[in-house]
Amino acid sequence: GESVGLHLPTLSVQEGDNSIINCAYSNSASDYFIWYKQESGKGPQFIIDIRSNMDKRQGQRVTVLLNKTVKHLSLQIAATQPGDSAVYFCAENGGSYIPTFGRGTSLIVHP
Amino acid sequence: KAGVTQTPRYLIKTRGQQVTLSCSPISGHRSVSWYQQTPGQGLQFLFEYFSETQRNKGNFPGRFSGRQFSNSRSEMNVSTLELGDSALYLCASSLAANQETQYFGPGTRLLVL
Repeated sequence: GESVGLHLPTLSVQEGDNSIINCAYSNSASDYFIWYKQESGKGPQFIIDIRSNMDKRQGQRVTVLLNKTVKHLSLQIAATQPGDSAVYFCAENGGSYIPTFGRGTSLIVHP
Repeated sequence: KAGVTQTPRYLIKTRGQQVTLSCSPISGHRSVSWYQQTPGQGLQFLFEYFSETQRNKGNFPGRFSGRQFSNSRSEMNVSTLELGDSALYLCASSLAANQETQYFGPGTRLLVL
């Protein structure tokens, strides 16, 4: 079946640095992608989304890039803060409205 | 506006028992989805309810069931618990069915001994 995966299970950065979290997807029919943040003891929190007709979308301190040619998605966090420490999931939706989640990348921000 | 709430937050059961988890969606949200999260499998979709009807179902055995009430609150039930059912069970709500933006609750952590 189709799957969504993450390249790096753990990413450690210094406070103030920019962070980049990557995600590969395999369902070429996916037309909607979402990034979630999950802090310890909490449920996933929506960060930003992007549709397949776009290749870049910016939010507050976050940018999502979509490369449909290589089926790659990335989340960029500018000026990473200790509060950004969490597990980040990408999810893809191939039109069934049932998202498929990646396994997650743990972001650790050192003060 | 209050977020998605789930009860209980923590639960310990033994093999063979059954368990019922509850989810109250954000006020005005009519769709509720349930997910199972484990370290090995990650987040997996269980089912989605809208207007008291199950609209979608994931690849889980029939021991996993759910329902939705007229006030949009939802419950999921797991019968004949197995050790592998130990997981964080997450509920997410959205305004309507087939809504791509979902809001998650804090989850119920179930431990099966």
